Amino acid sequence: DIQMTQSPSSVSASVGDRVTITCRASQVIGNWLAWYQQKPGTAPKLLVYGVSDLRSGVPSRFSGSASGTDFTLTISSLQPEDFATYYCQQAHKFPLTFGGGTTVQIK
Amino acid sequence: EVQLVESGGTVVQPGGSLRLSCVVSGFDFDDYAMHWVRQVPGKGLDWVCLISWDGGNIYYADSVMGRFTISRDNSRNSLYLQMNSLRREDSALYYCVRDRQGGSGSYFLDSWGQGTPVTVSS
Repeated sequence: DIQMTQSPSSVSASVGDRVTITCRASQVIGNWLAWYQQKPGTAPKLLVYGVSDLRSGVPSRFSGSASGTDFTLTISSLQPEDFATYYCQQAHKFPLTFGGGTTVQIK
Repeated sequence: EVQLVESGGTVVQPGGSLRLSCVVSGFDFDDYAMHWVRQVPGKGLDWVCLISWDGGNIYYADSVMGRFTISRDNSRNSLYLQMNSLRREDSALYYCVRDRQGGSGSYFLDSWGQGTPVTVSS
């Protein structure tokens, strides 16, 4: 199975801060990488797919990038509604696998 | 508006069986691959299985292979998960999820239901 190692597991940040979350795949997955946002008590929401394509309706402050098997989700200017847990997911091979999650907390 | 509504989750004894259902609306169900994903409260996401738009392709996580069966009824806009030989570690919130892309799918998880809880306990 492809292991997705996400870091950090949590980050404390303030409104307006730039936040970067990283996900490393255990093998090459090409562009088959997505990011999800989950707020407490709600289902996850797809933010980014294909490494850098924003789902319709997702604010442009979110962006995704890749370098080899390292993938990054960046929030350019953190907003109050962005405090949540974020997961990466590889869609290259079955079983589909997720990173362990990064919780963005208020500093 | 895309809607996915799961049902069927309950408390069941170890070794027991359960059938989850998901009724969808707001999109052409028979165009899309569908997934089940589960999550233990407070923990991460765990993909369970996928069924293609026509049921011709099915994939399972190793942890449920041989015990769970995914199926769909396109005439009823419904997705199902038959869960047999349940174990305590199957306890989780089970989400019905639509793939982002029609046809054979992209395996990106686009639209999620609110989940139905399954508790395996004696």
